[in-house]
Amino acid sequence: GDSVTQMEGPVTLSEEAFLTINCTYTATGYPSLFWYVQYPGEGLQLLLKATKADDKGSNKGFEATYRKETTSFHLEKGSVQVSDSAVYFCALFYNQGGKLIFGQGTELSVKP
Amino acid sequence: DGGITQSPKYLFRKEGQNVTLSCEQNLNHDAMYWYRQDPGQGLRLIYYSQIVNDFQKGDIAEGYSVSREKKESFPLTVTSAQKNPTAFYLCASTATRGAQPQHFGDGTRLSIL
Repeated sequence: GDSVTQMEGPVTLSEEAFLTINCTYTATGYPSLFWYVQYPGEGLQLLLKATKADDKGSNKGFEATYRKETTSFHLEKGSVQVSDSAVYFCALFYNQGGKLIFGQGTELSVKP
Repeated sequence: DGGITQSPKYLFRKEGQNVTLSCEQNLNHDAMYWYRQDPGQGLRLIYYSQIVNDFQKGDIAEGYSVSREKKESFPLTVTSAQKNPTAFYLCASTATRGAQPQHFGDGTRLSIL
């Protein structure tokens, strides 16, 4: 079945460091891919998305490219801030089924 | 401002007790969802509803029940049959099922006394 696997956390970085959070997926069809962010004590917010292979999603300095050949959608940011500390979820979605499948989440902690 | 309101933020359940989590949205969305979040795991779908008076089971519906009597409301009842109810519960909505992104509430944390 379809699934999403993220790198284990927590990931601890110093402010202004480069961030990569790995996400790989297994899919039987051609899903859209998403990154959601969850700040402490809050619900999820959509961070960025890509709907087809080679699409790049970007928002707030974060980027991720839909790589069909490696079935990956890694999240990157060139210079993290303390305010980026949160849990990040990778997810895949099929328009037909309307179901989101989430990875387990990766906690990011950025220290000043 | 439009959004999703979940209440209460924290809830405690005694053994053998049913508890109900509230989810209200003023986004005029047709579809609503309930997810369960456990530490180190992604979100798992409990129930969803595409339209008033209709709902379907998700991946982990056992021990839970829902109703959808009004478009803006989708309450979740955690019954005594749910033996491990301690978790963070998130409600979400979309304009129609399959639309993205899903809009999420701020969650309810349920604990066992």
